[in-house]
Parts: sequence; structure tokens; C-alpha cells
Amino acid sequence: AQSVTQPDARVTVSEGASLQLRCKYSYFGTPYLFWYVQYPRQGLQLLLKYYPGDPVVQGVNGFEAEFSKSNSSFHLRKASVHWSDWAVYFCAVSMDTNAYKVIFGKGTHLHVLP
Amino acid sequence: EAAVTQSPRNKVTVTGGNVTLSCRQTNSHNYMYWYRQDTGHGLRLIHYSYGAGNLQIGDVPDGYKATRTTQEDFFLLLELASPSQTSLYFCASSDLDRNTGQLYFGEGSKLTVL
Repeated sequence: AQSVTQPDARVTVSEGASLQLRCKYSYFGTPYLFWYVQYPRQGLQLLLKYYPGDPVVQGVNGFEAEFSKSNSSFHLRKASVHWSDWAVYFCAVSMDTNAYKVIFGKGTHLHVLP
Repeated sequence: EAAVTQSPRNKVTVTGGNVTLSCRQTNSHNYMYWYRQDTGHGLRLIHYSYGAGNLQIGDVPDGYKATRTTQEDFFLLLELASPSQTSLYFCASSDLDRNTGQLYFGEGSKLTVL
């Protein structure tokens, strides 16, 4: 069965530093991959999505992610973190054969130090 | 812009109480979902529907009923609420014809069962 693992429950970075949030997926078919962000007291919003094609995907607010089939990974990156990036980030996967079923990771809490 | 509206935003009830959470989407999407979000578990799918009158069981359906009355409206029913159902509930919609796997979320409904 497909699954998503976000190995870091919490990541702390200083404002202006670079960021990588890790995501590993398990699925033997063609995955559709997503990163969502949840700001305090809000619902989830899409940051970026990967459909089969260019492995590097650009998202909003300077975020990007890179798909690696060999590593079964879809890590999220940002070159310079801003205090407003303080949020919970969720990686998610859906399958090419059953795209309606979306599986979420447990989320990574990003804390930004001034 | 996609719009998913949930009500109530906050609800407190007692054990054994009857609760209905409402969700309306104005996106003309075919799929609608109910998730619960709990610390350490991320988002877990309770029920989903691909159209009026349709209901599909998700991954954690026990203790929940749902009904899709129209394309726009999806309700989650807790007929005998228990403290284990204290959680943050999210409704979402998607249109598989155009945005495979991408979900549009409501703001969430916080339920407390005493």
C-alpha cells in the first residue's frame, strides 16, 4: 500500500537560512506528489505539485521540490526562510490509478528563529 | 478561486451527543472528503464521495456517518460522540478532470467531546 513518511516532526531554522524538509513515499506506480502548508488556525493550502515531467517543481513563496524516483523522495527546499514560513508542512501522494485517494504524511512543524 | 466552507468552526458537545458538521463547496468539484487531523497522525481520511447520493468509506470510518445531499453539500454525522472523536476536522474537494489529486480545503471545524 502507498504511504508517505516525513521523518522530521519538527525542524528549527534561523531566518534567512536555507531549508530542506524531507519526504519519502512508497508506491510502485506513477505517483502524483504534493506539498501543502498549514498556517496557524487555518486550513491546508497547496504549495506545489508534481505530475510526471520535470523533476524540479516550483511553488509559491520561493519554495521548490525535487522528485527522485530512485530515492522515492520529494524533498521541499527554500533558499532563504522568512519568519512568515512558520507553519506545518504536509507531503502527500496520490496514485495514477486512483487519484481520488490522497495519502498524507504526519507533517513537519517548521519553527523559524529571529 | 476554489471555495470550501465549513460550519460550525467550533463545537463542544458531551459524550453521547449528536453532532453534524457541514461542508459546502462552490467549485463544481465532483469529489468531496472529510479528514480528521490529530497530533502524531497527520490527516486521516474518514469518508469521501464522488457525487450526490454517493458515499465511500475512508481509512478511519468507525463512529462516523456521512451524506452527500447535492454536488455542493457534504455532511459528517457523529450520532454518539465519544472523547476519542475530539479532533480538528477538514472538508476538502477535488476535480479529477483538471487537478488530479489536488485538494481544496476548508478552514476546519474544531470538535471537543467532553
